[in-house]
Amino acid sequence: KAGVTQTPRYLIKTRGQQVTLSCSPISGHRSVSWYQQTPGQGLQFLFEYFSETQRNKGNFPGRFSGRQFSNSRSEMNVSTLELGDSALYLCASSPTRQLNTEAFFGQGTRLTVV
Amino acid sequence: AQSVAQPEDQVNVAEGNPLTVKCTYSVSGNPYLFWYVQYPNRGLQFLLKYITGDNLVKGSYGFEAEFNKSQTSFHLKKPSALVSDSALYFCAVRDSTSNYQLIWGAGTKLIIKP
Repeated sequence: KAGVTQTPRYLIKTRGQQVTLSCSPISGHRSVSWYQQTPGQGLQFLFEYFSETQRNKGNFPGRFSGRQFSNSRSEMNVSTLELGDSALYLCASSPTRQLNTEAFFGQGTRLTVV
Repeated sequence: AQSVAQPEDQVNVAEGNPLTVKCTYSVSGNPYLFWYVQYPNRGLQFLLKYITGDNLVKGSYGFEAEFNKSQTSFHLKKPSALVSDSALYFCAVRDSTSNYQLIWGAGTKLIIKP
């Protein structure tokens, strides 16, 4: 069974540009969560989607948005990039929203804003 | 509010010695606790979880964790450390009031010296 796939793995963008990151969850998984990881802030929750609906949202500005498609694949978009958006963006999927279910992570997309 | 504390930024252990990575939590309801490991420039890998029942949980790569309700702790342990165990370890928790969202600790860097 294929794991969580994130594309691209590495990305370099210029301040002010926008970027779209993609996440394909494990087959059959319907919940997809996104995290931002930086050395100073650790893992910060961005949002969670389940059955194409946003179920949870973290404390990030409106420049950060996401969506989920009917096949459970998800994308996140960051507009008007800032230097501080440089981070590892992680996607995680789960089969359900049951509390005892672990999340399975992709390898992440390393975004560098210059 | 729910929270997770990993009191040690870094833990240093000699190869072959037992290791412990500490985690304490604060939640309103019954906790569901998880440990993950992250190798450099990779996503997080699930190690083990506590749902209910036996307080000693066994997981991947010889790791185990002990749930202590009175001390609200969930420490990760391994009887004999390997150099390959060197990585970043994260503790996470959710309960019935967290709307499925995982609450993460800041992470502990484990360094195993030969």
